[in-house]
Amino acid sequence: DAGITQSPRHKVTETGTPVTLRCHQTENHRYMYWYRQDPGHGLRLIHYSYGVKDTDKGEVSDGYSVSRSKTEDFLLTLESATSSQTSVYFCAISPGQGVSYEQYFGPGTRLTVT
Amino acid sequence: GENVEQHPSTLSVQEGDSAVIKCTYSDSASNYFPWYKQELGKGPQLIIDIRSNVGEKKDQRIAVTLNKTAKHFSLHITETQPEDSAVYFCAAEIGANNLFFGTGTRLTVIP
Repeated sequence: DAGITQSPRHKVTETGTPVTLRCHQTENHRYMYWYRQDPGHGLRLIHYSYGVKDTDKGEVSDGYSVSRSKTEDFLLTLESATSSQTSVYFCAISPGQGVSYEQYFGPGTRLTVT
Repeated sequence: GENVEQHPSTLSVQEGDSAVIKCTYSDSASNYFPWYKQELGKGPQLIIDIRSNVGEKKDQRIAVTLNKTAKHFSLHITETQPEDSAVYFCAAEIGANNLFFGTGTRLTVIP
């Protein structure tokens, strides 16, 4: 998985609790992304980062926040988890200096909100 | 934003036959079109991509074609093998390296 790890790989949490997912890369790539994957929707971009402390919103950013304090780590936080956030979350990285660069995905985190 | 449609949602072929998956996109500014293969329990794996300055790209048994005028692109897998069975996703890029994905095609290769 292109030097990408995600933790935890599985998590079950209760509605209303905060949750943080971690993505760690060893490729020193500039861009990092968080996607969610749901049946019938493919993968949808939540947030992305184009450098340390530089982040922007994606297609489905409501209810999520991110932080990137080091090149290698990108954190996704659900401030107050809801059942609609039950999903599989994937981190991706890209070396891109601009547009049209390959994205490589991590192994995913399965999150269940009860 | 971009809208990517992918067909068919499921596809079964006999081993050795060809498989074709088609995608259309809405934003004429898209310039990069990757294809991913996802096996059960794993993350998507980039298998081939094409940029808007070419019409076709091949890598062994896999090829991708792009028609920018019609805004559609296709994945072709020849001489299919059981290990090709997986879910395949197309995607289109629009600005700042952001990808919009199709909803996936579950390919089953019957031995």
